[in-house]
Amino acid sequence: QVQLQESGPGLVKPSQTLSLTCTVSGGSISSGSYYWSWIRQPAGKGLEWIGRIYTSGSTNYNPSLKSRVTISVDTSKNQFSLKLSSVTAADTAVYYCALGELAPAANYYYYYMDVWGKGTTVTVSS
Amino acid sequence: DIQMTQSPSSLSASVGDRVTITCRASQSISSYLNWYQQKPGKAPKLLIYAASSLQSGVPSRFSGSGSGTDFTLTISSLQPEDFATYYCQQSYSTFTFGPGTKVDIK
Repeated sequence: QVQLQESGPGLVKPSQTLSLTCTVSGGSISSGSYYWSWIRQPAGKGLEWIGRIYTSGSTNYNPSLKSRVTISVDTSKNQFSLKLSSVTAADTAVYYCALGELAPAANYYYYYMDVWGKGTTVTVSS
Repeated sequence: DIQMTQSPSSLSASVGDRVTITCRASQSISSYLNWYQQKPGKAPKLLIYAASSLQSGVPSRFSGSGSGTDFTLTISSLQPEDFATYYCQQSYSTFTFGPGTKVDIK
């Protein structure tokens, strides 16, 4: 059973870069038709998808965050990472990493996220 | 960008009630729609993918339907552990979540 664990600083200063890592256990990050996502949730609010990376290394990002986001994978450490630059108080949230799977559809694939980390709280404040 | 809406934003129900939550996409997304359940302080849990496919291990009282722009999540007989917030999510064009529907105890 694959498990995910987020880690990183809980406090980041405004204008700096938020950096988080998701460690994958119970399976290899480079096996299977998977992708790896980051999602965030401000306190008391809904979920916002940040982006995803495939085992091939290709990425897709939320258009509203694309200019500030980088997601990368380190297969040697079985980890993937999130960097969000130029943060403001609006980036304060619980950040989740998730494992995504693809199921074949008629002309495409059904994407879904079926394993999630427990989340880590990041506060942006001076 | 595809926008998702959900209705109602919250509802109160009793154990044993049949509950229906609606999700609407701003354009057709075929069946590329997932449903998640989230309890306070916990990560979301996948319930339904591809609009109507029940994720392994999820009780059969949960069901999903719809295609195109209109979708529903139905809980046939609400159980105490089902009080939570439910989110729809489209996967037709990257991902977008709906704003959520909170189900609480009447």
